[in-house]
Amino acid sequence: GAGVSQSPSNKVTEKGKDVELRCDPISGHTALYWYRQRLGQGLEFLIYFQGNSAPDKSGLPSDRFSAERTGESVSTLTIQRTQQEDSAVYLCASSSGGSGGDEQFFGPGTRLTVL
Amino acid sequence: GNSVTQMEGPVTLSEEAFLTINCTYTATGYPSLFWYVQYPGEGLQLLLKATKADDKGSNKGFEATYRKETTSFHLEKGSVQVSDSAVYFCALGGSARQLTFGSGTQLTVLP
Repeated sequence: GAGVSQSPSNKVTEKGKDVELRCDPISGHTALYWYRQRLGQGLEFLIYFQGNSAPDKSGLPSDRFSAERTGESVSTLTIQRTQQEDSAVYLCASSSGGSGGDEQFFGPGTRLTVL
Repeated sequence: GNSVTQMEGPVTLSEEAFLTINCTYTATGYPSLFWYVQYPGEGLQLLLKATKADDKGSNKGFEATYRKETTSFHLEKGSVQVSDSAVYFCALGGSARQLTFGSGTQLTVLP
C-alpha cells in the first residue's frame, strides 16, 4: 500500500511569509507526528495527533507554528511569518498505535528554505 | 527528560570492515529503542528495534542489544557493504509517544 506522502517536496519562501505543509498518513494509522530536521542534526519533535484526542503540542517552538488534523487523515503544518531559522526539512510520520514502542513510518519530507 | 547521545560522525570504513556505532540514552521508565536509517535520497526507515532489556534487534546483518545496565543500544555489523552507506539514527520511544532521536551518524563504506 501507499506510504506516508508529503507535499510540497520543496518550498522556498521569503522571510515573513506564511507556509503550509501537508501530510497524508498511511490509511488506518491513528497516530501522526511532525518532526523538524535541521541540517546535520537529529529530528526534533513538533506535534503529535492520536485519533480524536487533543494533540500534544509540547514540541512546537513558537506560536508561529500550528497544525491541524482532520479525523485520522490529512494533517497540515502551518508556519506563520517565517524566519530564516525555520529553514529545515519537515518530516511527517504515522503509526498504527500511539505507543512509544510502535514503529513510525516516515514520509520523504518537505525541505523548507526561508530567504 | 529523555535524551539520546550518539557517536559523532562521519565514519568511513572499507568494505567488509566491522562496524560499531555507539548509542547511549537517558530515560525514565522502560523505553523502547530503535535504529533508523536514511539512505541517500530516501526517507527515514526503521532498521531494527528492541522493546525491553536484553532484547536483541537484528535486520540486514545489523544487530543491537538493549543494555539497561549501561543504558546503551550500540549498532554493530560484522562486515559492511558499500550499500550500507547512509545516515544512522538511534532513537528512544517512551511514555511520551514521540521518538527522541540522536544527532545521526554518517557512514561511508568504500569499495
